[in-house]
Amino acid sequence: DVVLTQTPPTLSATIGQSVSISCRSSQSLLHSNGNTYLNWLLQRPGQPPQLLIYLVSRLESGVPNRFSGSGSGTDFTLKISGVEAEDLGVYYCVQSTHAPWTFGGGTKLELK
Amino acid sequence: QVQLQQSGAELVKPGTSVKLSCKASGYTFTSNHMNWIKQTTGQGLEWIGIINPGSGGTSYNVKFKGKATLTVDKSSSTAFMQLSSLTPEDSAVYYCAVATWDYWGQGVMVTVSS
Repeated sequence: DVVLTQTPPTLSATIGQSVSISCRSSQSLLHSNGNTYLNWLLQRPGQPPQLLIYLVSRLESGVPNRFSGSGSGTDFTLKISGVEAEDLGVYYCVQSTHAPWTFGGGTKLELK
Repeated sequence: QVQLQQSGAELVKPGTSVKLSCKASGYTFTSNHMNWIKQTTGQGLEWIGIINPGSGGTSYNVKFKGKATLTVDKSSSTAFMQLSSLTPEDSAVYYCAVATWDYWGQGVMVTVSS
């Protein structure tokens, strides 16, 4: 199975600070069809996860553009350019290139 | 708007089975595969499997083969997951989510306890 390693596990930030989360895969997530099925999710307390970024860098409709994704192959990054209070929660990367689909261990974003 | 409405919380006894539902609305049910996901504090998020509502075809995580069975009822736009031979390790929150990850059910807590 593909292992997704997220760092850091916890991130403390002030409002307005820019932060980055890393997701490293145990194998390339480039599919034979040319797509890379790496997505980013945010789970707020008591809520189901919600999609932020799909296909590495595409912003889901309705998601603020302070969120951005980048990377290729095995290394991926989610950046938040100016944290807002509503961004607090746990961030997960998830891959659906190689079955079984797998999730990263999560990064908890909290206020400093 | 798209909604995935899951059934309510379950308290079940070890050794029994439970069938969870996920009713879809706001889109063509057969146009998007449906994932099922398990969430626990200890193991995080785990992908259980996926079903094609159009054909009924399924793909399972090997870890959950024999534990989970995915089905659909196209007439009611509802996806189901049956969990069998329940043990306390099956206690978790279970989600349905469309294959593109952009819509999720609200989750259902299953507690296995005698």
